Amino acid sequence: DQQVKQNSPSLSVQEGRISILNCDYTNSMFDYFLWYKKYPAEGPTFLISISSIKDKNEDGRFTVFLNKSAKHLSLHIVPSQPGDSAVYFCAASVQGAQKLVFGQGTRLTINP
Amino acid sequence: DAGVIQSPRHEVTEMGQEVTLRCKPISGHDYLFWYRQTMMRGLELLIYFNNNVPIDDSGMPEDRFSAKMPNASFSTLKIQPSEPRDSAVYFCASSLGAGMGSPLHFGNGTRLTVT
Repeated sequence: DQQVKQNSPSLSVQEGRISILNCDYTNSMFDYFLWYKKYPAEGPTFLISISSIKDKNEDGRFTVFLNKSAKHLSLHIVPSQPGDSAVYFCAASVQGAQKLVFGQGTRLTINP
Repeated sequence: DAGVIQSPRHEVTEMGQEVTLRCKPISGHDYLFWYRQTMMRGLELLIYFNNNVPIDDSGMPEDRFSAKMPNASFSTLKIQPSEPRDSAVYFCASSLGAGMGSPLHFGNGTRLTVT
């Protein structure tokens, strides 16, 4: 039972354009969402998060949008850079709890 | 800080053998997690500890898996006996506190291959 789903295993975007990664969740108790980035042979690293009291959080080139009614969140990267090529994991939890549920990941490739 | 340190980086073993994965969390972090990454299921939480005490082991696949945290600076994940379906990348992570503002810090993982 996948409570957090990333339906696109891979995404290819041209350098300088916008990358949009999507994530859906089924558990309405989730109220804290995170994105992690993973390079090959390394562990995931925290990128950005959002609480359910917000619908948008921005950090530099990265913006996360949350649509609670649709149980959907997305990560926007603009402009995309070659160094953004990595696997991106969406994760969710109940605030105050440390049990994160991860999606399966989306491999983003930025083409020069 | 050196970050979360896992060893070994790679482990190849034969079916039926015992495998022990090791983790040193970031000093001062009070939560420690073991995750497993596979192509089919992504990152799955196996077990996590708070102040060296196991809090939730509902993700441990079966009795062949066990985890210990004898002190604040060391944890092990043991598989006995190992099976080919255990082949995956196993990550250890630690965090300071719980909830927002306490992201997980992951180690570089142990790639386990069981033949």
